[in-house]
Amino acid sequence: QKEVEQDPGPLSVPEGAIVSLNCTYSNSAFQYFMWYRQYSRKGPELLMYTYSSGNKEDGRFTAQVDKSSKYISLFIRDSQPSDSATYLCAAYSSYKLIFGSGTRLLVRP
Amino acid sequence: DVKVTQSSRYLVKRTGEKVFLECVQDMDHENMFWYRQDPGLGLRLIYFSYDVKMKEKGDIPEGYSVSREKKERFSLILESASTNQTSMYLCASRPTGFEQYFGPGTRLTVT
Repeated sequence: QKEVEQDPGPLSVPEGAIVSLNCTYSNSAFQYFMWYRQYSRKGPELLMYTYSSGNKEDGRFTAQVDKSSKYISLFIRDSQPSDSATYLCAAYSSYKLIFGSGTRLLVRP
Repeated sequence: DVKVTQSSRYLVKRTGEKVFLECVQDMDHENMFWYRQDPGLGLRLIYFSYDVKMKEKGDIPEGYSVSREKKERFSLILESASTNQTSMYLCASRPTGFEQYFGPGTRLTVT
């Protein structure tokens, strides 16, 4: 079993939709969780991070961690075509980031 | 602005060749990483380094080696390239803490 699991998609939504991207993890010792965004032919860039449980909001983006169910979510409100990218969740553990396989998101104009 | 650069965006090599992938960061970060990214498998850690001349194996080190002679430079070496090493290679650097900064990637094709 992979330590961080993520549905690969693709997920296709119309512009303006609310997008929900999700990951599950298996190691209850994980404390820091990240979301990276990767545009085609580019390296990943950090979008948001959260510590332990709870929500964190940044503009149209909200990251949520539920440690009781080992569930990580990223919500995108009022999605835009420029949000079309692959979204990678990650957990930090002992020097390393452990990544999910990424979900490809397409926002249709 | 943190900058991580990789020597090539695209590379085509023949089976059996020795391949060098170079990564340079300009922010004096202690930690540097090499990943490969394949469809459906995500990012997998090959090697990382937490200081000059120090290296640690990641999850898939077989067939690869690394070199870090200077703090800003981390090289990935494929001693004898094989077709199953065709992939996107991503370098990252990180200061103390957990936020990693990635380079643009090198798409390597081994024929």
